[in-house]
Amino acid sequence: SQQGEEDPQALSIQEGENATMNCSYKTSINNLQWYRQNSGRGLVHLILIRSNEREKHSGRLRVTLDTSKKSSSLLITASRAADTASYFCATGNQAGTALIFGKGTTLSVSS
Amino acid sequence: NAGVTQTPKFQVLKTGQSMTLQCAQDMNHNSMYWYRQDPGMGLRLIYYSASEGTTDKGEVPNGYNVSRLNKREFSLRLESAAPSQTSVYFCASRGEIVGQKAFFGQGTRLTVV
Repeated sequence: SQQGEEDPQALSIQEGENATMNCSYKTSINNLQWYRQNSGRGLVHLILIRSNEREKHSGRLRVTLDTSKKSSSLLITASRAADTASYFCATGNQAGTALIFGKGTTLSVSS
Repeated sequence: NAGVTQTPKFQVLKTGQSMTLQCAQDMNHNSMYWYRQDPGMGLRLIYYSASEGTTDKGEVPNGYNVSRLNKREFSLRLESAAPSQTSVYFCASRGEIVGQKAFFGQGTRLTVV
């Protein structure tokens, strides 16, 4: 079974609005990563948050991590049409050798 | 800098045919992965290789075999293709530092008829 589960499955917003996606995972982690996938393309790494961090920022991205709830959220502020994509969280297996992805959130930003 | 290169980009197979998907990376990464992506299922890990000479099963290994030919190359083989293996396949690689980000190829769109 997949380690991470994103919520919601799909999200539609207007340009300028904020988009929040959530990820829940099952086992303890060393870190959690978020990736973006434009339609039909390979995934691109966005941001990594370590288990001892609670919040991390990168440009318009803000990631939080709550290890007690085994959950993370990705916030995209002031969304643009170019942010339209699918977003995935990923965690390692217990040995840290595999990288397991969730089912993703499909974000649609309309202008 | 090519990154991760997958071949072919598209392939149509008949049920029962075999084929090998090729993946090569030029970043000197230890770890390499094969995923399949189906609508509504996200990415599911088929096999991975944490280092040259080792391979391990992922979430959905049945019907597939892999070979870590050398540090650069990690191939995925379908011995007898089935329609259920129609999917988009992605190869990825990652460095040895724990938590290092993964780099993905552009994918192989496989249709089994």
